[in-house]
Amino acid sequence: AQSVTQLDSQVPVFEEAPVELRCNYSSSVSVYLFWYVQYPNQGLQLLLKYLSGSTLVKGINGFEAEFNKSQTSFHLRKPSVHISDTAEYFCAVIRSSNTGKLIFGQGTTLQVKP
Amino acid sequence: DGGITQSPKYLFRKEGQNVTLSCEQNLNHDAMYWYRQDPGQGLRLIYYSQIVNDFQKGDIAEGYSVSREKKESFPLTVTSAQKNPTAFYLCASKANTGELFFGEGSRLTVL
Repeated sequence: AQSVTQLDSQVPVFEEAPVELRCNYSSSVSVYLFWYVQYPNQGLQLLLKYLSGSTLVKGINGFEAEFNKSQTSFHLRKPSVHISDTAEYFCAVIRSSNTGKLIFGQGTTLQVKP
Repeated sequence: DGGITQSPKYLFRKEGQNVTLSCEQNLNHDAMYWYRQDPGQGLRLIYYSQIVNDFQKGDIAEGYSVSREKKESFPLTVTSAQKNPTAFYLCASKANTGELFFGEGSRLTVL
């Protein structure tokens, strides 16, 4: 079975500073990985995904993530955050056979301060 | 526009009433899901359906029911047996690449 651990429940950061949201997963088979963002009272929106190929994945809103198979990590980064990036971020994993359910982490609240 | 449509966005219910949340998709996806989200908590899976006329219980199915009579539709009924129904409910469908597409959510409040 797969599992996902988001290592920080809250990450406070000042505007224009860099940020990293950490995600570790466990799986005995190959996986696809995803990051979602959720703004208050809205659904989840896909930020980026890793299916195969280059381990550095670029997404929307200037975010990127790096798949590290040896460390079983998929950390999300942004070099300079804005107030509008304040939201909940979820990491998720599914078997690359696309069987089974998408497994979500518990979420990380990014709080960008002026 | 293609996507997932949930309605209503806000819903109030008196104790003892059943309510049904609508979820429609025009993405031609086979699999659909219902999640519950409480403040400060992650997503908890209520029910999912891999194909029309078939569905399975998720982690917190008690007090909920679903149907999947059409590929496009996956309504969720919150029954009076659900002891603490106040929550934010999210519907999603799954693409062939495994990613989920979410609706905007429905917020249910029990008065």
